[in-house]
Formats: sequence, C-alpha cells, structure tokens
Amino acid sequence: QKEVEQNSGPLSVPEGAIASLNCTYSDRGSQSFFWYRQYSGKSPELIMSIYSNGDKEDGRFTAQLNKASQYVSLLIRDSQPSDSATYLCAVPPNSGYALNFGKGTSLLVTP
Amino acid sequence: DGGITQSPKYLFRKEGQNVTLSCEQNLNHDAMYWYRQDPGQGLRLIYYSQIVNDFQKGDIAEGYSVSREKKESFPLTVTSAQKNPTAFYLCASSMVNSDQPQHFGDGTRLSIL
Repeated sequence: QKEVEQNSGPLSVPEGAIASLNCTYSDRGSQSFFWYRQYSGKSPELIMSIYSNGDKEDGRFTAQLNKASQYVSLLIRDSQPSDSATYLCAVPPNSGYALNFGKGTSLLVTP
Repeated sequence: DGGITQSPKYLFRKEGQNVTLSCEQNLNHDAMYWYRQDPGQGLRLIYYSQIVNDFQKGDIAEGYSVSREKKESFPLTVTSAQKNPTAFYLCASSMVNSDQPQHFGDGTRLSIL
C-alpha cells in the first residue's frame, strides 16, 4: 500500500461550488498533515497544516482530519478559476523526516 | 524576506556534462531536500540533509551528488551518469521536526541540448 494516496483527477467543479479533495495515509502514528497547492510549471506552496482531529478553517479553505479512518480532506468553498491547480497531500514518515507526498489531485474550476 | 533561492531557473546540459544546481536558504532551517518532478508526476526524493556535512540518499539518488558545507547551502550536481536528467528540480527546507512542513524554492528546469 502506498503511504499517501490521492485520486489523480482531474476533479472538475463549476465556479462558486465546493471542491472536495481527499487523501488517505497508511501510518496510524502520523501526527501532522499538510496540503500544498502547485500551479502548472510552479513549485508547491503550503496552504494548510492540520495536527488534530476535526476541522481547521483558513479563509475559503477547510482541512478535515479523521485519524481513526486515516484520511485528511481539503474543502475549497466558493471555488474560483484561480484555484485550478494540483493539490498535494503530505504526511511525515514513520522514520526520518522527509515528508511523504501524494501524487496530487488536479482541480479544474470552470467559469 | 526569508526564503529559498534556486538558480538558475533554466539550465541546459550537453551530453557527458555535469551540471550543478544551486539552492540557498535564509530560513535558518537545519534540513534541506532535493526533489525531482517529471511532467504530470509526483515528487521524488533525490537527497536530503539534516545537518552540515551529512546527507542521505533518497529514492532516486543514482546519477546525482550533493554537498552540505554550509547550513544555508545544498547544491545538487547532476552527473553524466544520469541518463535522463530532463525534469523540474525542486529544493526544499524545514526545521528538523516531524511536525514541521517543508518550504520550496521556485525550482530549476533542466533540459538536454
């Protein structure tokens, strides 16, 4: 089983809708979780960190963590065309410290 | 402003040539990383370093070499042994703590002439 799994997409949502991106991880001991956004041809940018079960909100972004089910989600409310990008989920490894990245989900927000 | 600077932005390599990609950070981070990204693919770890004068191989270290002589700097050399070097190379840094995220530079795009 891959350590961090994401649906590659593309996920297409209309402008103004809620985009829901999901990520599952294999290490039950993971304590921190990160979401990165990567525009085409650019480097990944950290957009959310979450450390405890439940929801964390930052503007139009909400990260949801469920450790019992080993998944973390990113919700984007009022999606805009500028949100079109690939979203990477990252989880610390069970040994070492280089984050394990999922392959990313491509999001397309259509006007 | 604190950040990670990668240079050059674009680099071209001739057959049989070694090239070096620069990565400098002023975030006072102990850990630094090099990733390779191919079109439409995820990030693959090449090398990482936790402390000066020490580094470890990642998943795809063959054909690459690194050094860590200063905390701020972690250059990557793509050697002639790397037969398919065309890719987007990303440098990152972080605190040495599993709860801390990594921050990325803007990347270097390497192509073969």
